[in-house]
Amino acid sequence: DQQVKQNSPSLSVQEGRISILNCDYTNSMFDYFLWYKKYPAEGPTFLISISSIKDKNEDGRFTVFLNKSAKHLSLHIVPSQPGDSAVYFCAARLGAGSYQLTFGKGTKLSVIP
Amino acid sequence: KAGVTQTPRYLIKTRGQQVTLSCSPISGHRSVSWYQQTPGQGLQFLFEYFSETQRNKGNFPGRFSGRQFSNSRSEMNVSTLELGDSALYLCASSSLTSSTQYFGPGTRLTVL
Repeated sequence: DQQVKQNSPSLSVQEGRISILNCDYTNSMFDYFLWYKKYPAEGPTFLISISSIKDKNEDGRFTVFLNKSAKHLSLHIVPSQPGDSAVYFCAARLGAGSYQLTFGKGTKLSVIP
Repeated sequence: KAGVTQTPRYLIKTRGQQVTLSCSPISGHRSVSWYQQTPGQGLQFLFEYFSETQRNKGNFPGRFSGRQFSNSRSEMNVSTLELGDSALYLCASSSLTSSTQYFGPGTRLTVL
């Protein structure tokens, strides 16, 4: 039973345009969400996070939106750059004090110059 | 500040052998978590240690074990290796004041 789902295995975007990566979850007890970026043969790199008490968090070109009623979050990258090409993972934490993350299976983003 | 380090980066073992992987967390981080990444299952939580105590364990057989030392360094052990244990094993550390986990580069284990 996949509690965190990234339904798009891949996404292609032109350089300079917006990239929107989506993530859905089923467990309403998740209270903290994170996005990681991963290059082949490397560990995931933390990008941005959001607490369940917020609906938006921004950090430079990256913005994460959370819609609790729909159990949906999205990562917006504006403007997209070729260096953003990587696999993006959505992850969720089950309650304060828990360090167990549940990950989606990832979306491979390709930014075309 | 140095990041999370993992050794070795690559390992090749045969079925039935055992393996020990090592992780050094970011200085000051006392929580260490381990994850397994495979093409079919994605990233799956193995276990988490804090102050030398295992606090959480994922849905993996008892062949997978770990420990944490007083300096927060952690090791994980897999006994009686199976072909399906071939994966990228990732370690992540976190501080008490942050909900974010920072990952190391991983150890690529190949079981032949």
